[in-house]
Amino acid sequence: DVVMTQTPVSLSVSLGGQTSISCRSSQSLVHSDGNTYLYWYLQKPGQSPQLLIYKVSNRFSGVPDRFSGSGSGTDFTLKISRVEPEDLGVYYCYQGTHYPRTFGGGTKLELK
Amino acid sequence: EVQLVESGGGLVQPGRSMKLSCAASGFTFSNYGMAWVRQAPTKGLEWVATISYDGSSTYYRDSVKGRFTISRDNAKSTLYLQMNSLRSEDTATYYCRAGSPHWGQGVMVTVSS
Repeated sequence: DVVMTQTPVSLSVSLGGQTSISCRSSQSLVHSDGNTYLYWYLQKPGQSPQLLIYKVSNRFSGVPDRFSGSGSGTDFTLKISRVEPEDLGVYYCYQGTHYPRTFGGGTKLELK
Repeated sequence: EVQLVESGGGLVQPGRSMKLSCAASGFTFSNYGMAWVRQAPTKGLEWVATISYDGSSTYYRDSVKGRFTISRDNAKSTLYLQMNSLRSEDTATYYCRAGSPHWGQGVMVTVSS
């Protein structure tokens, strides 16, 4: 199975500040079709997960440009700039390249 | 507006069966691969199973293989998860997901005597 390792486990950030989350996979996430199926989700307290980024760096519809994704192969990063209160929650990376599909362990973003 | 509404959860004894449903609306259901993802209390997200847009291909995590069956009825725009031989470790909120972006609100399954 592909292990998705997210760091850090928790983050404390000031409103208006900037932060980043790392996600590393135990195998390359480049699919045979040439795409890299790496996603970022945010789960706010008491809610279902919501898609932020798909295929490494593409923002989903309605996602503010404060969120950006980057990386390749096995090493990926989510950056959040100008943090707002609605950004708080748990962030998960997820790979859709290999079966079984796997999530990272999550990164909890809290206010400083 | 895309809507995914899960139902069928509740309390069930170990070893018994339960069937979850996910009613979809607001999009062309038959065009989307669908998945079930679960989350045990206070834990992270765990992929359970995926079914292709036409139902011809299914995939499962090892811990549910042979016990769970994912299926779909495109005429009814509904996804299912038949869960047999349930174990305490299957206790979780189960979410259905359409493609990558669309999630239901989740349904709780508690396996306990």
